Amino acid sequence: EPEVTQTPSHQVTQMGQEVILRCVPISNHLYFYWYRQILGQKVEFLVSFYNNEISEKSEIFDDQFSVERPDGSNFTLKIRSTKLEDSAMYFCASSDLGRDETQYFGPGTRLLVL
Amino acid sequence: AQKITQTQPGMFVQEKEAVTLDCTYDTSDPSYGLFWYKQPSSGEMIFLIYQGSYDQQNATEGRYSLNFQKARKSANLVISASQLGDSAMYFCAMREGGSGNTPLVFGKGTRLSVIA
Repeated sequence: EPEVTQTPSHQVTQMGQEVILRCVPISNHLYFYWYRQILGQKVEFLVSFYNNEISEKSEIFDDQFSVERPDGSNFTLKIRSTKLEDSAMYFCASSDLGRDETQYFGPGTRLLVL
Repeated sequence: AQKITQTQPGMFVQEKEAVTLDCTYDTSDPSYGLFWYKQPSSGEMIFLIYQGSYDQQNATEGRYSLNFQKARKSANLVISASQLGDSAMYFCAMREGGSGNTPLVFGKGTRLSVIA
């Protein structure tokens, strides 16, 4: 069964450093998303992406964040200058056109900013 | 106002028993979708079940069923014949609007513990 994959599974970085989180969505899906979950809290939407551009973004997704689809398979989230409060689990998800347009999530990248 | 409310922070259930996890939602959009996800301790988010606002029947997927009461704006998840592997966090989520890549809004989750 096709699935969303994410790399790395864990990332530790120093405050102020740039990180790139990578995702490979399900191959025939058209819509891509990033969410984050701070430890012990609910999942929060960051950004959605369709047709090579951002469709919607939340207040969390400020200028330090960017997304890119550098090739036909990868979807990346870049955090330019990490802060302590960026420590969270970051989930990539993808969905397709259809009755329910269910978003299927990857296993997540656990980011720790020191 | 919270769009998704899960009032049970934690629940316990005996193995092989059924359990209901509550979810209420708030939207003025006539078209929306409701989802349940399971998050085991390993952290991944696993899709369980979907209910569309125009669906006439309650959704079912194996041991999971969704008790959809539109007038009360509730979408409770029922897990029948609980298994030890069902112990996890369960999140209710909503997508507003009929189509497209509308973001999901999640509730705070319910931690289910299945006891042998």
